[in-house]
Amino acid sequence: GAGVSQSPRYKVAKRGQDVALRCDPISGHVSLFWYQQALGQGPEFLTYFQNEAQLDKSGLPSDRFFAERPEGSVSTLKIQRTQQEDSAVYLCASSYPQGDNEQFFGPGTRLTVL
Amino acid sequence: AQKITQTQPGMFVQEKEAVTLDCTYDTSDPSYGLFWYKQPSSGEMIFLIYQGSYDQQNATEGRYSLNFQKARKSANLVISASQLGDSAMYFCAMRVFSNFGNEKLTFGTGTRLTIIP
Repeated sequence: GAGVSQSPRYKVAKRGQDVALRCDPISGHVSLFWYQQALGQGPEFLTYFQNEAQLDKSGLPSDRFFAERPEGSVSTLKIQRTQQEDSAVYLCASSYPQGDNEQFFGPGTRLTVL
Repeated sequence: AQKITQTQPGMFVQEKEAVTLDCTYDTSDPSYGLFWYKQPSSGEMIFLIYQGSYDQQNATEGRYSLNFQKARKSANLVISASQLGDSAMYFCAMRVFSNFGNEKLTFGTGTRLTIIP
């Protein structure tokens, strides 16, 4: 079956622009996660959804970052007024059910802010 | 606070040899899970193996095994009979439960493994 998909795969933005990154989780997966991976580093947690509810957004680095999952499936991570330090790979992962199961990751979106 | 430490930034191994990638962790939570993921140059994180904190036996998945030493808080990945396709970044991660009741993964900084023909 289809895995987690993300779009776009690559995004170049000028500083100050808004961007929107999309994640399509595996069908039926309840849990959805966003991670940020800076160059040469491991992924770092940003936010978590259980169905449409955003239960944990403790990892979002600033109020310029906003995520939503209005119907409990597709999720969008939005970054407003992008800064150079936002340049990273943004990974989406899903799992079902919550608990012992692994998180399945998408290919990521590489964001470059000029 | 939870932390994962991977002390080997890079490793070079001859093809067909076994390789051990080190991982130590720190948590005060008695219940946790440990994962290893492989990240090739394409960027996708590929799940390799999982070990639960209460599992009595070390996890194995094909050529991958996890050397779990709970008292030492280490969870090293062993790859037997390495192949050229094993060249990638390898991340150790720990599943923790946040104050919000959900799980999330905390990752180490990774080890870049290069297999030499």
